[in-house]
Amino acid sequence: AQTVTQSQPEMSVQEAETVTLSCTYDTSESDYYLFWYKQPPSRQMILVIRQEAYKQQNATENRFSVNFQKAAKSFSLKISDSQLGDAAMYFCAYRSVTNFGNEKLTFGTGTRLTIIP
Amino acid sequence: GAGVSQSPSNKVTEKGKDVELRCDPISGHTALYWYRQRLGQGLEFLIYFQGNSAPDKSGLPSDRFSAERTGESVSTLTIQRTQQEDSAVYLCASSFAGLATQYFGPGTRLTVL
Repeated sequence: AQTVTQSQPEMSVQEAETVTLSCTYDTSESDYYLFWYKQPPSRQMILVIRQEAYKQQNATENRFSVNFQKAAKSFSLKISDSQLGDAAMYFCAYRSVTNFGNEKLTFGTGTRLTIIP
Repeated sequence: GAGVSQSPSNKVTEKGKDVELRCDPISGHTALYWYRQRLGQGLEFLIYFQGNSAPDKSGLPSDRFSAERTGESVSTLTIQRTQQEDSAVYLCASSFAGLATQYFGPGTRLTVL
């Protein structure tokens, strides 16, 4: 079974600065998907960024980028130019590609990000 | 619709009562998922629907939990004889079949007194 570990329960960053959230995972599969989701106090899970394991290029979405290290099974999220609206819980998630009919997401325990004005 | 919707937004019930939670997926999404999020924790998978069938029920914690989906659309998660340990936020997500990205609803916060 796959596991996802987020070792930073809480992080804080000054507004306009850069912060990196860590995520590691364990799997025996060679192809899979990785995601970062954001959950503000409204509870709505919002997709931040997605990475396919077969792609060597790191995914980027505006101020959000990932550092995907497949051999190390590491998938960190970098937020540049942090804004007050970035304050939320951030969850790393894993999804298998190979098991049709078993497409669940496996989540880490989350990192609470605080933005300091 | 524009996104995944869930109802009710909040539900308070007494221990031993049955509750029904509803999920309306994004139109055209054939895959539907239920997750549970206990306070301060990550999401736990409960059940996955492809169309109206459920190929993966492995996350249902006990036989008090059941779910159904009709018309490849609305899904209902039923918890019978609720216990205080069932208190959590129940989140629903949907996706196109075979595509990885799941889109989540706002969740139902269930409180069992």
